Amino acid sequence: KNEVEQSPQNLTAQEGEFITINCSYSVGISALHWLQQHPGGGIVSLFMLSSGKKKHGRLIATINIQEKHSSLHITASHPRDSAVYICAVSREYGNKLVFGAGTILRVKS
Amino acid sequence: DAGVIQSPRHEVTEMGQEVTLRCKPISGHNSLFWYRQTMMRGLELLIYFNNNVPIDDSGMPEDRFSAKMPNASFSTLKIQPSEPRDSAVYFCASSPQGLGSPLHFGNGTRLTVT
Repeated sequence: KNEVEQSPQNLTAQEGEFITINCSYSVGISALHWLQQHPGGGIVSLFMLSSGKKKHGRLIATINIQEKHSSLHITASHPRDSAVYICAVSREYGNKLVFGAGTILRVKS
Repeated sequence: DAGVIQSPRHEVTEMGQEVTLRCKPISGHNSLFWYRQTMMRGLELLIYFNNNVPIDDSGMPEDRFSAKMPNASFSTLKIQPSEPRDSAVYFCASSPQGLGSPLHFGNGTRLTVT
């Protein structure tokens, strides 16, 4: 079993829909990262969080440490949100980010 | 702020050749990471430097891979000799303070070994 599991693997939505991507992990962590990778290949860090909730524009990330679960929400989705969203965790001890397999999001207009 | 700069963007080489990938981290960032991304294995850490010193190289696949960081503004990842299975996208990332701060990724180098 992978230490970081994301769901769904693929997601197609209509423009304007509310989107949720989930991430579950099985190890103790110091922080969780949400990354966005566009079709061109570049990777952007969206959020780093260790508790609670963060918001940036139409993006919201939440984490529940007790349940070892995080969600990334996109409100009023837009075709430009189409990308791969990757969840990654920093283990409590050590220097590695453990990556989920990613969620491929396609938003249709 | 120019961000993390990687070169080249694309590299095509023949099996057996030496390949050198370059990275310039963001000025002031103390930590530098080299990652490899493949379809099969996703993103994997190869090596992590802090203050120019290699801290964790357990992800370096074999002796054919080596990485250096001679100063705070430059790092190289070298593969010698290259093999077709090394074909991947190689990302460099930097952060102000290890994994305790957000990572800033370069645009990656797409390596194809034929």
